[in-house]
Amino acid sequence: QSVLTQPPSVSGAPGQRVTISCTGSSSNIGAGYDVHWYQQLPGKAPKLLIYGNKNRPSGVPDRFSGSKSGTSASLAITGLQAEDEADYYCQSYDNRLSAHVFGTGTRVTVL
Amino acid sequence: QVQLVQSGAEVKKPGSSVKVSCRTSGGTFSNYAISWVRQAPGQGLEWMGGIIPMFGTTNYAQKFQGRVTITTDESTSTGYMEVSSLRSEDTAVYYCARVSPASEEFDSWGQGTLVTVSS
Repeated sequence: QSVLTQPPSVSGAPGQRVTISCTGSSSNIGAGYDVHWYQQLPGKAPKLLIYGNKNRPSGVPDRFSGSKSGTSASLAITGLQAEDEADYYCQSYDNRLSAHVFGTGTRVTVL
Repeated sequence: QVQLVQSGAEVKKPGSSVKVSCRTSGGTFSNYAISWVRQAPGQGLEWMGGIIPMFGTTNYAQKFQGRVTITTDESTSTGYMEVSSLRSEDTAVYYCARVSPASEEFDSWGQGTLVTVSS
């Protein structure tokens, strides 16, 4: 069982805005550890999308943004496009487990 | 441009072992930790463990302690992950990933190695 909880799925029409939540606890996100987000296209390896809660690596469109507050974090996708259909995972560190931990994953569907 | 290239797919019998390699290029190997993540069919990502090549220190998820061994060969900039006593539940795609030292994000990933455990 993952210690970071995400909604199983979110959907939106092209051009809309969707958000994905990542809920943790006082031993991971709430302890101050950074949250990172990954995009996994079907059949592909994950790709870093957001690091350090809100930073985008070079080449990631500014349609993707991240935020963190308390024991939770969020990923927002604005101007949703067909190519954004993928699975998205949050990741942080947990000091009780002494381990990196991933969220349960969210599938984004573009209607 | 950092690249992580993993070894090819494996089919193993229950009870046997498998060793997956991850060759890196385009960066300073010793300066970054290497983590291993697996993904069972239709499931999410699961961190298995990692190693800091410069110090040789390892850290394993409790679930894998005693059954997984992570090593590196700095001379070839290659990381290795061995799983012993394989069972059918170990059938998964195994990924290596480079860990950035700043905020410990997994900034580059290998292409994945499918390990199938079947009698």
